[in-house]
Amino acid sequence: EVQLVESGGGLVQPGGSLRLSCAASGFTFSSHWMHWVRQGPGKGLQWVSHISGDGGTITYADFVEGRFTISRDNAKNTLYLQMSGLRAEDTAVYFCARGIGSGYFDPWGQGTLVTVSS
Amino acid sequence: DIVMTQSPDSLAVSLGERATIDCKSSQSILYSFNSKSYLAWYQQKPGQPPKLLISWASTRESGVPDRFSGSGSGTDFTLTISSLQAEDVAVYYCQQYYSSPQTFGQGTKVEIK
Repeated sequence: EVQLVESGGGLVQPGGSLRLSCAASGFTFSSHWMHWVRQGPGKGLQWVSHISGDGGTITYADFVEGRFTISRDNAKNTLYLQMSGLRAEDTAVYFCARGIGSGYFDPWGQGTLVTVSS
Repeated sequence: DIVMTQSPDSLAVSLGERATIDCKSSQSILYSFNSKSYLAWYQQKPGQPPKLLISWASTRESGVPDRFSGSGSGTDFTLTISSLQAEDVAVYYCQQYYSSPQTFGQGTKVEIK
């Protein structure tokens, strides 16, 4: 069974840092692009970043503005999102998702909640 | 960025009746070389992650009930639930993957009338 399990969310003060992890199982992790997508409270879905299977291609949404770093460890089947300079508007559930083909997502993890507040 | 706009924002449908959700992209998401529209539909139930229902505008994923269907091409797309069931209460999102960044519609909440 394909499974994605996020961890690392929590409460952080504005300007703080957090590292999210996404443990993958049930598929050949290194063969797939992986994505982070977030959902603010009561809001819609917003793509954050993606990374190619070999880690050689990385893209971020404009709002990241150099504050987040996506990475992966294919030996550990794990995806990461290092977040710094966090703002209140970064408060959201962060989902990791496996990329399929040209860029739709299946499956999604359960998500991890990041709350940025003083 | 390609803007995806869904309509309506919410709808209430009686059990067994048809539900229709529209999704419009700000530019064509059809690649002429393969004649495919790069559009997916997701279902999100409360407290759950999104679930992929349809890719390539009309290809239903394995295990998705056949009451769900997708149609459209270019810039205009539709998700149809032919006979609404109680378990279909959810928010539905369209997403384009024609170009990066992938973008989503704002979501349509489907409820029982």
